[in-house]
Amino acid sequence: EAGVAQSPRYKIIEKRQSVAFWCNPISGHATLYWYQQILGQGPKLLIQFQNNGVVDDSQLPKDRFSAERLKGVDSTLKIQPAKLEDSAVYLCASSPTPAGEKLFFGSGTQLSVL
Amino acid sequence: QKEVEQNSGPLSVPEGAIASLNCTYSDRGSQSFFWYRQYSGKSPELIMFIYSNGDKEDGRFTAQLNKASQYVSLLIRDSQPSDSATYLCAVKDDKIIFGKGTRLHILP
Repeated sequence: EAGVAQSPRYKIIEKRQSVAFWCNPISGHATLYWYQQILGQGPKLLIQFQNNGVVDDSQLPKDRFSAERLKGVDSTLKIQPAKLEDSAVYLCASSPTPAGEKLFFGSGTQLSVL
Repeated sequence: QKEVEQNSGPLSVPEGAIASLNCTYSDRGSQSFFWYRQYSGKSPELIMFIYSNGDKEDGRFTAQLNKASQYVSLLIRDSQPSDSATYLCAVKDDKIIFGKGTRLHILP
């Protein structure tokens, strides 16, 4: 069974530029999450999708971050414009259950904002 | 604000000994508790979950939950160098909240 796919693996941009990350969850997993993990900290939930609907985006900085999950499968997370403090690993995870009891993470995208 | 607290470590344990990792949480309504292992430069991987008070064993791993004390722990028996990683405690009520993780170093 293929795991959660993410791309790109690394991204370096300058502040005020825009960037987008892509995620393809495990086949059949209806629940998809985007997490931000800053070095030395635990993952912080940005947004949770159930199929193509948003369940929780309370911690998403909506003035600069946006996410979508068209057709309830792939998802993209965008940052525009990026700030220095956005430097982090962006992790996509999916879960086989609507309650999201067990998360399967992708390899992440390491973003450096200069 | 709901919080999950862990000692950041590093926790150094001799090979073959028992490693004990601890976690406390603030939300009494939390229902599900998880331990994820994260190797340096890699993504988190679920290793244990527990829902009820008491102990749950899986191989060399034992998760312990005490809801009254809002405390969850992970024991690793017969620690191996390959167990060296950061261990993330996660707690779920309406959403999953992660602690900052404890770095574990197994000394050969």
